[in-house]
Amino acid sequence: SQQGEEDPQALSIQEGENATMNCSYKTSINNLQWYRQNSGRGLVHLILIRSNEREKHSGRLRVTLDTSKKSSSLLITASRAADTASYFCATDIPDSSNTGKLIFGQGTTLQVKP
Amino acid sequence: KAGVTQTPRYLIKTRGQQVTLSCSPISGHRSVSWYQQTPGQGLQFLFEYFSETQRNKGNFPGRFSGRQFSNSRSEMNVSTLELGDSALYLCASSLVGGNSPLHFGNGTRLTVT
Repeated sequence: SQQGEEDPQALSIQEGENATMNCSYKTSINNLQWYRQNSGRGLVHLILIRSNEREKHSGRLRVTLDTSKKSSSLLITASRAADTASYFCATDIPDSSNTGKLIFGQGTTLQVKP
Repeated sequence: KAGVTQTPRYLIKTRGQQVTLSCSPISGHRSVSWYQQTPGQGLQFLFEYFSETQRNKGNFPGRFSGRQFSNSRSEMNVSTLELGDSALYLCASSLVGGNSPLHFGNGTRLTVT
């Protein structure tokens, strides 16, 4: 079963607007990561936030983590057409038997219209 | 630094055949993991190798197997292919595994007819 669930499943915005995607997960984590995937290609790592962090920034990206609610959000500010892609959250499972395993959400498909 | 390289990029096989996919990780990365991506199930973890040892395996049948060589290159094999095995197979490498960022290849698109 999926650890992460993302909301919304699809998002369409105009260039210049902000895009917010949410991720919820079920079990405790060490860290949560966000990835981007352009159609038919591999995933690209965007940002990693540890369980003891509440917010992290990278360029136009802002990620928040609320471990009490088991949720995270990814905000992309001043979106560009090139941001059009699918975005996935991924969590680890802090259990020695699950070393090296990430659980991915179903993803949010973002379309940025020029 | 060269990225993660997966070969072949596309593959068409017939039910019952077997297939071997190859992955060359980023130089210095000792962890290689494999994921299956389908429209219905999304990204599913297959297995992860670190220094030639399988550390973890997902919930896939025994037809799915893998290995890692001493140079960290990895292969995965699927035997007795089924239609449902059609998917994008993604390989990712990292320094130490799940607690560090994964670097993905562009995948192998497998179609089973």
